[in-house]
Amino acid sequence: DIQMTQSPSSLSVSVGDRVTITCRASQGISTYLNWYQHKPGKAPNLLIYGGSSLQSGVPARFRGSGSGTDFTLTISSLQPEDFATYYCQQSYSIPHTFGQGTKLEMK
Amino acid sequence: EVQLVQSGAEVKKPGESLKISCKASGYTFTRNWIGWVRQMPGKGLEWMGIIFPGDSDTRYSPSFQGQVTISADKSISTAYLQWSSLKASDTALYYCARLSSSSGQGDYFDYWGRGTLVTVSS
Repeated sequence: DIQMTQSPSSLSVSVGDRVTITCRASQGISTYLNWYQHKPGKAPNLLIYGGSSLQSGVPARFRGSGSGTDFTLTISSLQPEDFATYYCQQSYSIPHTFGQGTKLEMK
Repeated sequence: EVQLVQSGAEVKKPGESLKISCKASGYTFTRNWIGWVRQMPGKGLEWMGIIFPGDSDTRYSPSFQGQVTISADKSISTAYLQWSSLKASDTALYYCARLSSSSGQGDYFDYWGRGTLVTVSS
C-alpha cells in the first residue's frame, strides 16, 4: 500500500490566516492526489482532485499543488467555516489510501 | 441531484451478522464505482473497497479483504457492506461514496452519504 503522511497533525490558526498543509506519498503518485474537508457529523467534502483541480462549488481560497511525492493544500485566508479536519488521498493505486488528517483548531 | 442515502444506525452484539445499505439516486448507478470508507471513533478515514455496480467488479483494501463483503443490487441502485461475524473493533462510522474519474487526474469520491454508525457491544 502507498502510505500518505500529512503534516502537521493539528494546527492552531485564526480567521484570516494563510494555512498550508502538506502531504507526502511513500512513492511517486503523479498528480493523483485528492483533498477532502471533514466536519464532525457531516460527510467529507471533496475540495481538490488531480492534485490541483478545484471541485465545483469549492471557494477559490482553496488551492492544491504538487506532484510526485509532495503535495500542498493552501487556504489563502481562513474563514470561520473552514475549521475542520483535512485529508489527502492518493488514487494512484488501490487501496486509495488517506493521510491521517490535519485538524485546524482555533487559536 | 446526486444523493446517497445510507441506512440507519445499528447496535449489534459480537458474532452477529449485519448488512448496511447505500441507496443512490440522481445519476446512472451502473456507470460509477461506489466505495466504502471507515472512520473509527476519534480516528481518520480508511478506504475499504469499491464496487462497480454495472458488473459487480469489486476491489478491496488488503486490510479489509475477507473481513467484509461489498455488493450491489443494480435493480434498486443500492450498494451494501456486510459482515458475517461482527467484532467490537468493527464499531465505527461507515460512509459510502461515489467514485468519479477525470482523464489524467485520477479517481475521487465526489458525493458521499451521511454515514451509518455501527456499534458492536456485548
